[in-house]
Amino acid sequence: EAGVAQSPRYKIIEKRQSVAFWCNPISGHATLYWYQQILGQGPKLLIQFQNNGVVDDSQLPKDRFSAERLKGVDSTLKIQPAKLEDSAVYLCASSLEDTDSSYNSPLHFGNGTRLTVT
Amino acid sequence: TQLLEQSPQFLSIQEGENLTVYCNSSSVFSSLQWYRQEPGEGPVLLVTVVTGGEVKKLKRLTFQFGDARKDSSLHITAAQPGDTGLYLCAGANSWGKLQFGAGTQVVVTP
Repeated sequence: EAGVAQSPRYKIIEKRQSVAFWCNPISGHATLYWYQQILGQGPKLLIQFQNNGVVDDSQLPKDRFSAERLKGVDSTLKIQPAKLEDSAVYLCASSLEDTDSSYNSPLHFGNGTRLTVT
Repeated sequence: TQLLEQSPQFLSIQEGENLTVYCNSSSVFSSLQWYRQEPGEGPVLLVTVVTGGEVKKLKRLTFQFGDARKDSSLHITAAQPGDTGLYLCAGANSWGKLQFGAGTQVVVTP
């Protein structure tokens, strides 16, 4: 099966600019996640979608970050305006089931977008 | 908020040696997953452990879930350069929310 696709792979922007990332999950996967991974740290959940609805966005900095999954398939994550501390790898993941209903549901990650804010 | 602590942060060993990495928390997990992440790639699931005291083996990798489901370990026997990577543990709480540790960077040199 095709994996989780993300683009772009790399992005360099200046602070206060805006940027958008795109993710296409594995076909049939209902749940989609966006994670932020800062160098030297583990992935931190930003937002979780179940189909096209938001399940958890408690750690999303909503003053500058936004995400949507309009048709319940692919998703975009936007940062506007970017700050230096947003430099990180942004990982998209999908799973067949919602982890609320299956603790064993594995996450399938894309290769991420490495963002550098200068 | 549950806190998952992984140790050591960094481990460098020679090919053929054994190693163990640890994942500890003060909270009980419903399940715990181990992932390996290579540079420029996303994490890839290695195993999920669910039952306290459970031991799972994946070739040269042995995973153990603590009896109280608060901790886990990953043991690699006769490490190979292909085992190099960032090993992440992720615990799921009773609501299914998954939290990742900071990872252990393992480097195996030939």
